[in-house]
Amino acid sequence: DTEVTQTPKHLVMGMTNKKSLKCEQHMGHRAMYWYKQKAKKPPELMFVYSYEKLSINESVPSRFSPECPNSSLLNLHLHALQPEDSALYLCASSQDGTRQYFGPGTRLTVT
Amino acid sequence: QKEVEQNSGPLSVPEGAIASLNCTYSDRGSQSFFWYRQYSGKSPELIMFIYSNGDKEDGRFTAQLNKASQYVSLLIRDSQPSDSATYLCAVAHNTDKLIFGTGTRLQVFP
Repeated sequence: DTEVTQTPKHLVMGMTNKKSLKCEQHMGHRAMYWYKQKAKKPPELMFVYSYEKLSINESVPSRFSPECPNSSLLNLHLHALQPEDSALYLCASSQDGTRQYFGPGTRLTVT
Repeated sequence: QKEVEQNSGPLSVPEGAIASLNCTYSDRGSQSFFWYRQYSGKSPELIMFIYSNGDKEDGRFTAQLNKASQYVSLLIRDSQPSDSATYLCAVAHNTDKLIFGTGTRLQVFP
């Protein structure tokens, strides 16, 4: 079973709003990831948590704030986003760090 | 800069034919190679991975790796319209960091 779940499926937010994206995996994987994907582009890595600790931050603006409450959950807190932040946000998990399994994504629109 | 290159396509093949998708990478030290399938509006799905030179087969899919030429390919036999998607090649640069190619769009027509 390689299931990663994400909520919500769709999110529309204004530039002054605060919202959160949620991700959950029950495969016991030690690493969880946030990616951003724009149309017709490959996924871009944002953050990596390994054993619940932030291990990689790809110089992401501070309006994106990740959180890993436990080994199964990963959140992405959003605040004061810009319209260009509209994208598909993907969560993934992996045990070995290379075979990464993606969730269905959250389609974010910033108005 | 570590790079992974793919032809963006579209690659159009008739139903029942073999689709051949190719990928080259720049980091000679890369060890792990992946193919993801992504349907329009959906998330990437891992369909094949290969670590050693040669061929690896899984059902209708065959991944081929040639580290000397820094080349990895995906063959899809008996292509079906349901195989129409974008195929992303990914190379593990370090643990936890995949470098993705820009993807090849495959169209299988009846």
